[in-house]
Formats: sequence, structure tokens, C-alpha cells
Amino acid sequence: GENVEQHPSTLSVQEGDSAVIKCTYSDSASNYFPWYKQELGKGPQLIIDIRSNVGEKKDQRIAVTLNKTAKHFSLHITETQPEDSAVYFCAARAYGQNFVFGPGTRLSVLP
Amino acid sequence: DSGVTQTPKHLITATGQRVTLRCSPRSGDLSVYWYQQSLDQGLQFLIQYYNGEERAKGNILERFSAQQFPDLHSELNLSSLELGDSALYFCASTGRGLAQPLNTGELFFGEGSRLTVL
Repeated sequence: GENVEQHPSTLSVQEGDSAVIKCTYSDSASNYFPWYKQELGKGPQLIIDIRSNVGEKKDQRIAVTLNKTAKHFSLHITETQPEDSAVYFCAARAYGQNFVFGPGTRLSVLP
Repeated sequence: DSGVTQTPKHLITATGQRVTLRCSPRSGDLSVYWYQQSLDQGLQFLIQYYNGEERAKGNILERFSAQQFPDLHSELNLSSLELGDSALYFCASTGRGLAQPLNTGELFFGEGSRLTVL
């Protein structure tokens, strides 16, 4: 079955710097890769996603890149702000299958 | 607001007891998923229901069971509780408008039910 690894487990950056979180997946049939943000005491919320027919997607300060050959995808947050502090989860899913989540990255943006 | 409602938000109980967690999915969503998140851990998939039928099982203990009712709300029953069952339990839904449980939609999570077993 699918296995998703995520690195780093914790990340601290200065406000205004960029943050990058990387995930690798094992199932070449996976074709949908969402990123979820979980703020303290709340449920995970989708922030951006990418499908396998696209190499990069951007939404304001957030971008995701996908390398299907290497089976990895990354979340990039530019100009980080304190409100970006949260736990971020990547996930992978093959068509018709269930989501498999990475273990999460705790991002701290220091003022 | 994701549109997924979970009750109760907090629950404190003793070992050996039984509790029921309730989830109302987004209007029209046919699939309901249950996840367990222990302290500083990731999201562990427990079970999925689609339109009242069990669709997939993950790492769900035999002491745990779930069901989805005709109105599509779901309940997760946890029995013979142990200290290690203390966790956040999330419900998520998807599948609005889908005739088949193809898991092609975005997952929408509720705010979770925090269970503390003393």
C-alpha cells in the first residue's frame, strides 16, 4: 500500500523567510496530493492541492511542486507570517483509494 | 467552517467506560471517515462509510465500532476504554454528488472530539 514520508518534523523560521516541507510517496498510482493545515485545537483544513498532470501550482504565498518521477512533492510558503504557525500534513491518494497522510510538520514562525 | 459537525467537543471519562462520538457530514456528502490523532501524532485512519455501508477499514481496534445512519450522520463507539485511547477523533466527509464511493473529492474535516480517559 501507499506510504507517505514527510520532512522535517519540526521547522522554525524567522518571519518573512520561506519555509519548505517535503513529502515522498511510494505508490506510483497516486494522482492527487493535498496539503492540510491544522491550527491548534482545530481540524485540518485544505490549503492547496495538486494533481499528477500538473508540475506546480501556486496560490498567493503558497506553492506546491510535484516530481512524479522521483515521487516527491513539496510545499513552499514564502514571506512567512506568525499566522502560518501550525501543523502541516501532506497526503497522497490514488484514484478510488483512501488518503494516506504524512506524519506532519510543526511550523513555527518566529517574530 | 467546513460544514462538518462533531459532538461532543470534549469528553472526559474513566477507563473501562464506553462513549459515542457523533458526526454530521457536510450537506450532501455521502462518505464519512473517522481518524484518530494522538498527542503530537499524525492522522490515523480508522474507518470509512459510504451511504450507510462500510467502505474501508484502517487501524481500528475491535473495541471500536462505527455506523452511518440513513440521514448520513455517523457515530463512532469506543468501548472498554483504556488510557491510550485518549486522543482527538476527527470526522471528515466528502463525496457530494458522487454516485460511487470513488474517493475523488476533497476531504472536509470537523473540529474534532477530544477524548480524555482517566
